[in-house]
Amino acid sequence: GESVGLHLPTLSVQEGDNSIINCAYSNSASDYFIWYKQESGKGPQFIIDIRSNMDKRQGQRVTVLLNKTVKHLSLQIAATQPGDSAVYFCAENVSNDYKLSFGAGTTVTVRA
Amino acid sequence: DTAVSQTPKYLVTQMGNDKSIKCEQNLGHDTMYWYKQDSKKFLKIMFSYNNKELIINETVPNRFSPKSPDKAHLNLHINSLELGDSAVYFCASSPSEGQPQHFGDGTRLSIL
Repeated sequence: GESVGLHLPTLSVQEGDNSIINCAYSNSASDYFIWYKQESGKGPQFIIDIRSNMDKRQGQRVTVLLNKTVKHLSLQIAATQPGDSAVYFCAENVSNDYKLSFGAGTTVTVRA
Repeated sequence: DTAVSQTPKYLVTQMGNDKSIKCEQNLGHDTMYWYKQDSKKFLKIMFSYNNKELIINETVPNRFSPKSPDKAHLNLHINSLELGDSAVYFCASSPSEGQPQHFGDGTRLSIL
């Protein structure tokens, strides 16, 4: 399953399929990006980050892609599991600034 | 072994009251933050302290006053609570700028 366009609030994906969550960021000066996962009743949990000197970074079952030309970030989740159901946020940061600016979030629902 | 802990988890109170939310982190981080998450899950920074010094103060009513007695604690006091203050408030911490922020599980504030 894939969220398309600038932002889609919800994404429904079949268990075992790959998920792609997209994010358009606003500040061309941003050079550090983070993906967070927020489960119901919990705080945002760090998944993976990437700095602007990279285009791709991989973690365990997750990959983040950064396209600075079009100011676009994506999170790919391989073999989506029921435990991946959550709200996913992208966040952007500018060097020497403590402020993180969050996107609106995408709700991912995994179908059994 | 909780990293960022907030108390209370739930806070239900009447309009016009004054209340405080406490936050503690045991990660040894220098910087702490308060965020507000509205009913649409939008996360917005309110305040940040670095080594007990206020470094971020977004456009927040002056009824909200943060206090950092030491770098492991950041409390939020709210005077004259209004209906629009109903939200989930998250505390977070990070080692410095340009590093992932670690979040607590939130305080759900409901104003009657």
